[in-house]
This record gives sequence, C-alpha cells and structure tokens, in this order.
Amino acid sequence: EVQLLESGGGLGQPGGSLRLSCAASGFTFRGYAMTWVRQAPGKGLEWVSTISKSADSTYYADSVKDRFTISRDNSRNTLFLQVNSLRVEDTAVYYCAKLMGFCGNTGCPNGWYIDYWGQGILVTVSS
Amino acid sequence: EIVLTQSPGTLSLSPGERATLSCRASQSISSSYLAWFQQKRGQAPRLLIYGASSRATGIPDRFSGSGSGTDFTLTISRLEPEDFALYYCQQYGTSPWTFGQGTKVEI
Repeated sequence: EVQLLESGGGLGQPGGSLRLSCAASGFTFRGYAMTWVRQAPGKGLEWVSTISKSADSTYYADSVKDRFTISRDNSRNTLFLQVNSLRVEDTAVYYCAKLMGFCGNTGCPNGWYIDYWGQGILVTVSS
Repeated sequence: EIVLTQSPGTLSLSPGERATLSCRASQSISSSYLAWFQQKRGQAPRLLIYGASSRATGIPDRFSGSGSGTDFTLTISRLEPEDFALYYCQQYGTSPWTFGQGTKVEI
C-alpha cells in the first residue's frame, strides 16, 4: 500500500523558513517522480513543484520560484520542500504526491499525473 | 497558463441520480492530459480519472470521464451516499499544471 506522510509544517514567520518532508513507503520511491501541491484554507488546489525520479530535473510554479526548493533522498525514501522567504499567502495545507506516466511530446513534467496523495501538512505564515 | 473552469459550482442531487460535471479549458489540452480528483472534507484528494477517460485503480465503474480538446466531462452514473464530495479537474499537459476551482456535489 502506497503511503506518503508529510511532516515539518507548523507556524512560520513572514520572511522565515521551514523544511517539509514526505516519507514514502509501499512503492519503489526512486522509480517515480514526485510533486508538491498546496491548498489554502477553503480554497482550491495549486501545483507547487515537481522533481524527476533521479532529481536531475525540477520544476516550479512562478509563485514559489526562487523561494522554494524541492529535493529528494532516494536512499531514505524521502521528499523535501525547503520553503524560504515565507509570505502570508503561502499559508496552506501542503500535500506531497506520487506521479505516474511518461513525459509528453512537449517534454517533462507534462504527461506525469498524480496517482497518490499524502494526508497533507498545514503551514501557517503569520507574525 | 491554462485556465480550467468547472461547472456548475454546486450540483444538488439525490442518491441514485446521475451527475454530470463539466471542465472547460481556456486552450486545448495536450494529448487529453486531464485528470479528475475527488476530495472529501478534511481529506486528501483521490485520483478518479486520468488521461481524460481512464479510471484509476479501484475506482468503481459508475465513474466515467470523457472529452478532448477543451471540453471534458466527469459522469457519475448513479450517485452513492459516499460520492457526495468536491470534485476537481486538473490538466498536466502544459506547464504550469492547473486545477479547476471545483464542483461540489451535495444532497
């Protein structure tokens, strides 16, 4: 059974940093690209970042580019999201998710789709 | 970026009825790279449909997806009590990936 367990959330100050982790089990972690998606309270879903299975390619939404860094440790079956320069609008539940599929004809990450989600971790940015 | 517009915002139906949810894209979605997710209150989303019409593992056959280009539909043939939830479409054919704003299916 695929399990994704996020941790590291909580209260962060504007301009501060947090590091989110996602422990994966039930599948061969190193064989799949992974992604982060967030959901602000009472709002819809927003894609944040994606990383290839070997970590040689990373992709970011414009809203987080240059502030967030996605990474992974395949030896520890863990996905990370380093969130820096926090803003109030970064307040959200952050979900890690496993990806399936193949790169489309427009190139990666297009063609990969989410097949499993973690339960999410709340990040609150407030002074 | 591709904007996905879901309609209606809320669908009020009874168990046993048919639900038809629409997702319209601002431009054509490459290779029908469209997914549908179900989200219940306080829970993570769950994949229902990928590739516009392929059911995910373990999803009952009362859920079906159709469409191509800019117009896509999720149909629930006969609503079960556990189907009353929020539904999102998502395109993964063009970066940045984007989600619709959701359709709530309520009793």
